[in-house]
Amino acid sequence: DTGVSQNPRHKITKRGQNVTFRCDPISEHNRLYWYRQTLGQGPEFLTYFQNEAQLEKSRLLSDRFSAERPKGSFSTLEIQRTEQGDSAMYLCASSSTGNNEQFFGPGTRLTVL
Amino acid sequence: AQSVTQPDIHITVSEGASLELRCNYSYGATPYLFWYVQSPGQGLQLLLKYFSGDTLVQGIKGFEAEFKRSQSSFNLRKPSVHWSDAAEYFCAVGPNAGKSTFGDGTTLTVKP
Repeated sequence: DTGVSQNPRHKITKRGQNVTFRCDPISEHNRLYWYRQTLGQGPEFLTYFQNEAQLEKSRLLSDRFSAERPKGSFSTLEIQRTEQGDSAMYLCASSSTGNNEQFFGPGTRLTVL
Repeated sequence: AQSVTQPDIHITVSEGASLELRCNYSYGATPYLFWYVQSPGQGLQLLLKYFSGDTLVQGIKGFEAEFKRSQSSFNLRKPSVHWSDAAEYFCAVGPNAGKSTFGDGTTLTVKP
């Protein structure tokens, strides 16, 4: 068990560019979550998968954001046409059915210039 | 809708002193409650959780929390704080198998 991993750890991009983040959950976990955290605030829920099905999306997830989990293992979060307001830490977490404990990755810190 | 309030943005305690971090929640059913700790630039580490049963929950690093349904509270305590406990602490509430809703956190500073 190597824990939840996220890549890259840091991303600096220019406004208007597209970015993609990857999350690898704990291998036996079938649930995967994405959260966004800005300075001075707690994580805010973005979306959640059970296996490959995306079961819930927050209203925070505008049409510029898309998440996939094509084979029920790793997940990607893409932000198109980035804006300065997208600058934040993007956290991924995973859990298994019947256990509500979420294990968090180290996050990807996005800076949009 | 579920929500979490952490009334104290910042708390400073002396090393060796006791600590209590407050958390109030709003949730329509039996809540699943969590406390996490986050060090700068790091992800969240679970300290403890409450699902059911005994309302006093023991966690890692000497932390404990007490669930009080009548007060909608889940306060975190530690009898003697160590300098390494300086971090940001988040309380969260969640439904079964779904998302968690987090408070805005309490930053703990430990004075030598």
